[in-house]
Amino acid sequence: QQQVRQSPQSLTVWEGETAILNCSYENSAFDYFPWYQQFPGEGPALLIAIRSVSDKKEDGRFTIFFNKREKKLSLHITDSQPGDSATYFCAAYTNAYKVIFGKGTHLHVLP
Amino acid sequence: DMKVTQMPRYLIKRMGENVLLECGQDMSHETMYWYRQDPGLGLQLIYISYDVDSNSEGDIPKGYRVSRKKREHFSLILDSAKTNQTSVYFCASSLSAETLYFGSGTRLTVL
Repeated sequence: QQQVRQSPQSLTVWEGETAILNCSYENSAFDYFPWYQQFPGEGPALLIAIRSVSDKKEDGRFTIFFNKREKKLSLHITDSQPGDSATYFCAAYTNAYKVIFGKGTHLHVLP
Repeated sequence: DMKVTQMPRYLIKRMGENVLLECGQDMSHETMYWYRQDPGLGLQLIYISYDVDSNSEGDIPKGYRVSRKKREHFSLILDSAKTNQTSVYFCASSLSAETLYFGSGTRLTVL
């Protein structure tokens, strides 16, 4: 049972373009959605997060858009840089401190 | 400096051998996690620990057990390792589950 789904599996954009990574979830009880960034050979690291009471969260070039009614959210990376090339995981926080991760989107930013 | 340390980074074992993966954190976080990461499957939760000797199964606990005798240390044990347990294992710790701090991972190969 996949509770958090991500698309696309892989995404390639040119430097300077906006990358859009999508995420959807099934459980209406989820109320906190972090995005983690992972570079090869490293563990994931928290990038940005949003609570379900908000519909948008910005942090520099990274913005989360959240649609509670449709149970969807997306991560927008504006002015993409080659250094943004990484795997991005959408996650959802459940009760009992369980954090459920999607399968990830591999982002490639071409110079 | 907030740090999660995993040992060893790389490990090769034969099928049927016992495996011990170790994780330490210096943040005094109560909650610690073990995840495994496989290509195309994202991060799957194996076990979660809420404090010393307070552990709970995650989504894929079969074939694994854990030990937490000190708050700063959390071990993952594979009794009689199987080839399908070849994976990258990540340990994480958190204060509130809103931010998980991951180690750099242990790449385990079971031959």
